[in-house]
Amino acid sequence: QSALTQPASVSGSPGQSITISCTGTSSDIGGYNYVSWYQQHPGKAPRLMIYDVSNRPSGVSNRFSGSKSGNTASLTISGLQAEDEAEYYCSSYTITITRVVFGTGTKVTVL
Amino acid sequence: QVQLVQSGAEVKKPGASVKVSCKASGYTFTDYYMHWVRQAPGQGLEWMGWINPNSGGTKYAQKFQGWVTMTRDTSISTAYMDLNNLNSDDTAVYYCARSQPGGSPYGMDVWGQGTTVTVSS
Repeated sequence: QSALTQPASVSGSPGQSITISCTGTSSDIGGYNYVSWYQQHPGKAPRLMIYDVSNRPSGVSNRFSGSKSGNTASLTISGLQAEDEAEYYCSSYTITITRVVFGTGTKVTVL
Repeated sequence: QVQLVQSGAEVKKPGASVKVSCKASGYTFTDYYMHWVRQAPGQGLEWMGWINPNSGGTKYAQKFQGWVTMTRDTSISTAYMDLNNLNSDDTAVYYCARSQPGGSPYGMDVWGQGTTVTVSS
């Protein structure tokens, strides 16, 4: 099972909006609404930001939103803040033997 | 508060095994799946598998089948991940993570602090 494909890096200025893409196949993202997004700061454990494509856990800012179209999921961060600078990973359920697959990761830089 | 506390760092020789523990508190241990995820230095996240603490049933990623064993002890709300025949490629931080409440079990909302496993001769 190959990792989901994410851009290596995305950047934006404070206050701007950015979108991170996550591309898979019909065996994972395209076939099921089980996409999650995680934020990871250096040396820290990941933090769940979005689950089941577009749901935010309690405590996550509404500046974070998720969506999906076909085999590609997206995470949008609006009103970019310095604290949003981190690595972001998508994940999805997959029908293959390996039930969960992660994306390659995207480094978000706040300019 | 909901918390997962993992065992301490390990240094192992090639060919050895390692067992990492993950003690849950603040919620009913048997109500949520426990995932195991690893991250090699400077690399991304890799899903290893999960255990259903209620039944003990497991699902392992294809790469780890025959190589990893996940167990639990409900009396002490602790999950375990046992990886054998280690090599240098297994040097990584190993995380346990709880499946999120509500919706599907594939998201992970609470994570342990991570256990660093170093494999070196």
